[in-house]
Amino acid sequence: KAGVTQTPRYLIKTRGQQVTLSCSPISGHRSVSWYQQTPGQGLQFLFEYFSETQRNKGNFPGRFSGRQFSNSRSEMNVSTLELGDSALYLCASSFLDMNSPLHFGNGTRLTVT
Amino acid sequence: GESVGLHLPTLSVQEGDNSIINCAYSNSASDYFIWYKQESGKGPQFIIDIRSNMDKRQGQRVTVLLNKTVKHLSLQIAATQPGDSAVYFCAELYGGSQGNLIFGKGTKLSVKP
Repeated sequence: KAGVTQTPRYLIKTRGQQVTLSCSPISGHRSVSWYQQTPGQGLQFLFEYFSETQRNKGNFPGRFSGRQFSNSRSEMNVSTLELGDSALYLCASSFLDMNSPLHFGNGTRLTVT
Repeated sequence: GESVGLHLPTLSVQEGDNSIINCAYSNSASDYFIWYKQESGKGPQFIIDIRSNMDKRQGQRVTVLLNKTVKHLSLQIAATQPGDSAVYFCAELYGGSQGNLIFGKGTKLSVKP
């Protein structure tokens, strides 16, 4: 079974631009979550989608948004990029809910210059 | 050892020895705990989980111990191998909601041949 796939692996953007990251969950997984990982803050929860609906949201500004499609694939968008948005963005999927463990992709490394 | 929210500590062990990685969790209401392994350039990989109604759980070469009295979690790796070199994260969850999944900052395990 294929794992969680994230594209692209690397991105370089300029301040003020916007970016869209993509995630394909493990087949059969309906929950998709997004995390930001930085050396200083570690892994921080952005949001979770289940059946195309945002089920949970972390403490990030509204510039961070996401969506989930009917095939469970998900995208996240960051608008008006800031230097501090440079991070590894990780997508994770799980079968149903938090009674099953998260399976992470290898992430998208975003660099904002 | 590590505590959720502290800087990244390092553990160095000899190949073949047993490793113990510690984690002090923050919320006494947390009822689900997970250990992840993250290798360089990859996303976190699920290792083992344990629920609060258990004290110990064993996997292949790994054992997780939970001491709810002192809010302490540990991961034991038997016969540590070079391939075990990675950053290990503990995570705690309360209330079953993804938004309440809190990751520690991680412990870097280095295995000397």
